[in-house]
Amino acid sequence: DAMVIQNPRYQVTQFGKPVTLSCSQTLNHNVMYWYQQKSSQAPKLLFHYYDKDFNNEADTPDNFQSRRPNTSFCFLDIRSPGLGDAAMYLCATSRDFTGGSSPLHFGNGTRLTVT
Amino acid sequence: AQSVTQPDIHITVSEGASLELRCNYSYGATPYLFWYVQSPGQGLQLLLKYFSGDTLVQGIKGFEAEFKRSQSSFNLRKPSVHWSDAAEYFCAVGRRGSQGNLIFGKGTKLSVKP
Repeated sequence: DAMVIQNPRYQVTQFGKPVTLSCSQTLNHNVMYWYQQKSSQAPKLLFHYYDKDFNNEADTPDNFQSRRPNTSFCFLDIRSPGLGDAAMYLCATSRDFTGGSSPLHFGNGTRLTVT
Repeated sequence: AQSVTQPDIHITVSEGASLELRCNYSYGATPYLFWYVQSPGQGLQLLLKYFSGDTLVQGIKGFEAEFKRSQSSFNLRKPSVHWSDAAEYFCAVGRRGSQGNLIFGKGTKLSVKP
C-alpha cells in the first residue's frame, strides 16, 4: 500500500545535540509537510516543500531545518534541541495544493524526547 | 483571520450511543473542510472532506458530516459509537486559492464507555 513512513517512531536526544527525523513516501505526491504537535494541541505547520521549493512558516524557529533530496524523502533537522522541542513530529504529503483541496496523508509520527 | 473552533475539549459517550462533534469556522468564503481522527501515538487519518456540492458528506468508519453555511459549521456525526472510535478528532479548514496550509482546530477527545 502506498503510504507515508516515518522513522524512527521514538527518538531520544540530549539537550543541544542535533537530531534528524526522516520521512519517506510512496504516494509520489508533490508536497511534503512537517508538523509539530505538542500534547493535547493541534498540529502546527513548520514548513513544506512543493517539489524542491521550500516554504518556511513565519514563526518556525531557525533551529528547525529541512531537506528534501528527492521526491520520496524529506528530513527534519533540529540543530540544537531544547526541552521545549519535545513533541510529536508528523510528516504529511498531498498530491497538490489546489487551494487546499488535496487531503493530507499523514505518517504515524516520531515522538521526540529531549533529556 | 481564518480560524477553526472545536468547542468541546473532551466528550464521553456510551458505546452504541449517537455522537456529534462540533466544528465552527471563520472564513470569508466557502472553505474546504476536513475531519481527521488521531488514535493514541498515531498520525492523523482523513475521515471525510467537503469541497462543494451535497452538504452532507459520508466518510469512512460510518461517520458523516454536514456543512451548514448559515451557521459556519461542519459537525461530525455517527449514529452508533463503537469502543474503537475512542480517539482525538480534528476539524480542519483549507483556504481556497492559497498554498498548502490547513488550519486545524484544537481537537476533541472522545472517550467511549462500555
